[in-house]
Amino acid sequence: SAVISQKPSRDICQRGTSLTIQCQVDSQVTMMFWYRQQPGQSLTLIATANQGSEATYESGFVIDKFPISRPNLTFSTLTVSNMSPEDSSIYLCSSVRGGETQYFGPGTRLLVL
Amino acid sequence: GNSVTQMEGPVTLSEEAFLTINCTYTATGYPSLFWYVQYPGEGLQLLLKATKADDKGSNKGFEATYRKETTSFHLEKGSVQVSDSAVYFCALSDTGRRALTFGSGTRLQVQP
Repeated sequence: SAVISQKPSRDICQRGTSLTIQCQVDSQVTMMFWYRQQPGQSLTLIATANQGSEATYESGFVIDKFPISRPNLTFSTLTVSNMSPEDSSIYLCSSVRGGETQYFGPGTRLLVL
Repeated sequence: GNSVTQMEGPVTLSEEAFLTINCTYTATGYPSLFWYVQYPGEGLQLLLKATKADDKGSNKGFEATYRKETTSFHLEKGSVQVSDSAVYFCALSDTGRRALTFGSGTRLQVQP
């Protein structure tokens, strides 16, 4: 299985500010994804992070709010911009190994006050 | 579009009881199916998977069979333990993009 780390593991932020979450994978992977898990809810895909091109966003998520970078095959960042309390969630990155199996990072727990 | 429907929780069982968590899906094509588990305070872990019809995934005593005719992937375990207490998510993988569509999750509580 993949080893995926995320930083920070948790943070408390003030509304109106931005937070950048980092995701590091232990080997080169083609596909990386960013998900959001709101309190007590399931996971929702935010976007697919593509190396060398812009991220592909799901319905309801936009680049201005969640800009994503993918500078190489082992690293990606997700920024949560102009935060509001509704952005309080766990943000998880994942990568695909073994053809179709996704492995997840430990998540970043974000609380916006 | 793709969707996954799971039975609502929480499910509360006594230790050594039989567990079934129902999962049905709607998808185009031939998706792969997964069960993920989230233990309290921890990240999401792959529990088992099946990639084609009639495949059975198994791990740690848990099993699930990919039933194309009923579009189901029910999770079962013959004898649960307190340590199995967690939230279980059924998910399917889009055959093209590999992105996952998750069910709502089912919280399992096992009492000693």
